[in-house]
Amino acid sequence: KQEVTQIPAALSVPEGENLVLNCSFTDSAIYNLQWFRQDPGKGLTSLLLIQSSQREQTSGRLNASLDKSSGRSTLYIAASQPGDSATYLCAAYNNAGNMLTFGGGTRLMVKP
Amino acid sequence: GAGVSQTPSNKVTEKGKYVELRCDPISGHTALYWYRQSLGQGPEFLIYFQGTGAADDSGLPNDRFFAVRPEGSVSTLKIQRTERGDSAVYLCASSLLTGRVNTQYFGPGTRLTVL
Repeated sequence: KQEVTQIPAALSVPEGENLVLNCSFTDSAIYNLQWFRQDPGKGLTSLLLIQSSQREQTSGRLNASLDKSSGRSTLYIAASQPGDSATYLCAAYNNAGNMLTFGGGTRLMVKP
Repeated sequence: GAGVSQTPSNKVTEKGKYVELRCDPISGHTALYWYRQSLGQGPEFLIYFQGTGAADDSGLPNDRFFAVRPEGSVSTLKIQRTERGDSAVYLCASSLLTGRVNTQYFGPGTRLTVL
């Protein structure tokens, strides 16, 4: 059974810092990996999806990497802003590509 | 275009009651998923529909939970004899299922509270 772990569980940084969120998964036979953002009381917003054949994806100040052999993915946020404060979730697709297993999330607070 | 919508946004019920939660997927999306998110945790998979049929219901916790998608669009998650432990946010997602990119788009969720 796939297990996804995110470290740290919570992170507080001053505005402007670059930061890295970590995600690890136990079963490397994943289809794709996706990073989401969740604001309090809201649903999930997709940030980046990395296909299993890719090593990274970039969108604006966000860069996500994937290393299947080591079972790890990282989300890099450059020049953090208070508006980036949210919970960030990573999720691995099973090898059929139809079910997501989520990590517990990292709660990020960016202080002005 | 419209995203995934879920109704109601909040539902408060008493232990032992029956509840129905509705999900309207993005138009044209053939796949629909239900997840449950407890406080402070990531979402957990419940059930997945491809068209009208449940392709994978391995995440349903017990037989009090049931979901339908009779016309391959709207889905209803049904919970019988609710228990306090069923309190959570129930999330619905839909996807197009083309090629290798199967991005799931999530609705805002229904917050269920069982008193």
